[in-house]
Amino acid sequence: EAGVAQSPRYKIIEKRQSVAFWCNPISGHATLYWYQQILGQGPKLLIQFQNNGVVDDSQLPKDRFSAERLKGVDSTLKIQPAKLEDSAVYLCASSLGDISSYEQYFGPGTRLTVT
Amino acid sequence: AQSVAQPEDQVNVAEGNPLTVKCTYSVSGNPYLFWYVQYPNRGLQFLLKYITGDNLVKGSYGFEAEFNKSQTSFHLKKPSALVSDSALYFCAVRDTTDSWGKLQFGAGTQVVVTP
Repeated sequence: EAGVAQSPRYKIIEKRQSVAFWCNPISGHATLYWYQQILGQGPKLLIQFQNNGVVDDSQLPKDRFSAERLKGVDSTLKIQPAKLEDSAVYLCASSLGDISSYEQYFGPGTRLTVT
Repeated sequence: AQSVAQPEDQVNVAEGNPLTVKCTYSVSGNPYLFWYVQYPNRGLQFLLKYITGDNLVKGSYGFEAEFNKSQTSFHLKKPSALVSDSALYFCAVRDTTDSWGKLQFGAGTQVVVTP
């Protein structure tokens, strides 16, 4: 079974530029998560999709971050414009999404550096 | 609101010695508890979970964890540590009343196993 795929793996941009990350979850997984992991901290949930609908985006800085999940499969996370404090690893995870599916499966992450 | 505390930033242990990584949690309802491990430049990898039943749960790579409801703890243990166990370990909690399965992660504990 293929895991969660993310691209790019690394990205360096200047502040005020835009960037987009892509995630392909495990086939059949209805729930998709985007996390931000700042160095020295645990992952923080940014947004959670159930199929192609948003169920939690309470910690997403909506003035600069946006995300979509077209057709309930792949997802993109965009930052526009980027700030220095956005430097972090962005992790995508997926799960089956039913009542018995407890584990989340994580991709390798995208390391973003904003200079 | 749910929260997780990992009181040790780093745990140092000699190879062959027992390894313990501490975790305490706070939730409104009952907890689902998880341990994940992160190797450098990799995503989080699921180790084990407590959902219900036996308080001692066994997971991957010889790890186990004990759920203690009275102490609200879920410490990760391994009887004999290996150098390859050196990594960053995250404890996470999900409130059973949260139907969408939001995970709250701790800040992580770096484990260093010396030969």
